[in-house]
Amino acid sequence: AAGVIQSPRHLIKEKRETATLKCYPIPRHDTVYWYQQGPGQDPQFLISFYEKMQSDKGSIPDRFSAQQFSDYHSELNMSSLELGDSALYFCASSISGELFFGEGSRLTVL
Amino acid sequence: GQNIDQPTEMTATEGAIVQINCTYQTSGFNGLFWYQQHAGEAPTFLSYNVLDGLEEKGRFSSFLSRSKGYSYLLLKELQMKDSASYLCAVRDTGGFKTIFGAGTRLFVKA
Repeated sequence: AAGVIQSPRHLIKEKRETATLKCYPIPRHDTVYWYQQGPGQDPQFLISFYEKMQSDKGSIPDRFSAQQFSDYHSELNMSSLELGDSALYFCASSISGELFFGEGSRLTVL
Repeated sequence: GQNIDQPTEMTATEGAIVQINCTYQTSGFNGLFWYQQHAGEAPTFLSYNVLDGLEEKGRFSSFLSRSKGYSYLLLKELQMKDSASYLCAVRDTGGFKTIFGAGTRLFVKA
């Protein structure tokens, strides 16, 4: 069965650079979520989209933005990167509440 | 506010039973999830409770009491591969945000 696809799996950036993460949800799932998970921490909710419209917002910094496109894939854009942005970024999709997670994109900011 | 509490760590013996508790105080409630997460990997769905009572699924069971803001995950016949973090997560009323607790790291010893 198709799963949530995230790219890239690993990304290394310098401070103040920009990064873009992509997420391809499971087909027919109507909601996409983005989470940030620092080392040893729980996943922190960033933002979600329902049917391509932003549906809820969590602790997403103003330097970050996200959108969902007509083909339902989503992108998380992160600008003016800081060392503290180094984390695993998970995308998840759902249709009935249960979240299906992608394998995550590991961002390292040097 | 949103607050989800779980024990930080637990240790149990292979073949035994372990119960991981979760208490929550959230502004809205539309279901409670348990996820398993191995280090560096994506969380995977274990169980979902929206009504009070016990849900059983193989070696895993989850209980919910909405009036007490309390849930537990019961793992039976523990195996070494059950060593992982177990995340309690609450979905808010709107359904577009799921908040995770800090997770309980379970160590299963021989």
